[in-house]
Amino acid sequence: IQLTQSPSLLSASVGDRVTLSCKGSQNINNYLAWCQQKLGEAPKLLIYNTNSLQTGIPSRFSGSGSGSDYTLTINSLQPEDVAAYFCYQYNTGLTFGSGTKLEI
Amino acid sequence: QVQLQQSGAELAKPGTSVKLSCKASDYTFTSYYLYWVKQRPGQGLEWIGYIYPENGANYYSEKFKGKATFTADTSSSTAYMLLGSLTPEDSAYYFCARLGLRGVLDAWGQGASVTVSS
Repeated sequence: IQLTQSPSLLSASVGDRVTLSCKGSQNINNYLAWCQQKLGEAPKLLIYNTNSLQTGIPSRFSGSGSGSDYTLTINSLQPEDVAAYFCYQYNTGLTFGSGTKLEI
Repeated sequence: QVQLQQSGAELAKPGTSVKLSCKASDYTFTSYYLYWVKQRPGQGLEWIGYIYPENGANYYSEKFKGKATFTADTSSSTAYMLLGSLTPEDSAYYFCARLGLRGVLDAWGQGASVTVSS
């Protein structure tokens, strides 16, 4: 299963609501996760099973989707949200999206 | 808090090998699969394979068979990945990650840079 993320680069302002897209080449059956990756840091799991918020992650992060189309939404963007975000599917094997770089 | 601490950057010559480590803490090391993932700049992430530390069972994605070898030392809660016959295409960041109970990679190491150059 291939995953296509868009956009590859997203510029937004503090307080904005942003949406990141992850589209699979086939049905992922909601086994879709989102991670945040900051330079030099360990990737951090944000969302799993499409819309379940990982413990300790702020509620401004949310996930949605079904079938082959999934979205990560960040409400009220904060400066510390500057990072790269990648999705990955674990329905069939394990594959990753190419990532979205979010800047403010 | 679950932590995976990886070894530092490696600079290696083509044809040689490097051994990366991933030390786990604050969870039962033997009870969770440990995955390895490759990331090349601008190319996204690739799954290399995984090891189950309790019994050493492992699995490699087709692309990395013969390239990577996983081992685990349960006495030190440390997993290792040996990368052999290095080429410039092996230059990348390598991450270890734990497969959590929900079937998702829920904890990641900070990554280790490998640079292959003569």
